[in-house]
Amino acid sequence: KAGVTQTPRYLIKTRGQQVTLSCSPISGHRSVSWYQQTPGQGLQFLFEYFSETQRNKGNFPGRFSGRQFSNSRSEMNVSTLELGDSALYLCASSLDRSAIYEQYFGPGTRLTVT
Amino acid sequence: AQSVTQLDSHVSVSEGTPVLLRCNYSSSYSPSLFWYVQHPNKGLQLLLKYTSAATLVKGINGFEAEFKKSETSFHLTKPSAHMSDAAEYFCVVSEVGSARQLTFGSGTQLTVLP
Repeated sequence: KAGVTQTPRYLIKTRGQQVTLSCSPISGHRSVSWYQQTPGQGLQFLFEYFSETQRNKGNFPGRFSGRQFSNSRSEMNVSTLELGDSALYLCASSLDRSAIYEQYFGPGTRLTVT
Repeated sequence: AQSVTQLDSHVSVSEGTPVLLRCNYSSSYSPSLFWYVQHPNKGLQLLLKYTSAATLVKGINGFEAEFKKSETSFHLTKPSAHMSDAAEYFCVVSEVGSARQLTFGSGTQLTVLP
């Protein structure tokens, strides 16, 4: 079974631009979550989608948004990029929403904002 | 609210000696607990999980962890370290019954000396 895939793997953007990252979950997985990883803040939860609906959101500004499609694939969008948005963005999928189900992570998208 | 404290930011062991990575958690409900490993420039890989079954949990690559409710701990151990174990390790909590959200510890960097 294929793992979680994320595209692109690397991205360089300029301040003020916007960016869209894509995530394809493991086949059959319905929950998709996004995390931001930085050296200073560590791993922080962005949001979770299930059945095309955002179910939970972390403490990030409204510039960060996402969506989920009917095939469970998900995208996240960051508008008006800031230097501090430079990070590794990780997508994780899970069979269902219950906390007993582990999340499987993709390799991440490395975003650099200049 | 849930939180995780990894007591050591860096641990250094010699190859063939035991590994102990310490984790304490705080949770208002019955937690699910996980250990993930991250090798350089890679995504997160699940090592093991606890979900209210057996308190001693065995994972991949010879790792195991023991859930101790009285001490609110979930320490990760391995009897004999291998060079390939060098990586960053994250202790993670997710509350059963709560919204789908993982809370990560700050990570422990494991160095294995030859």
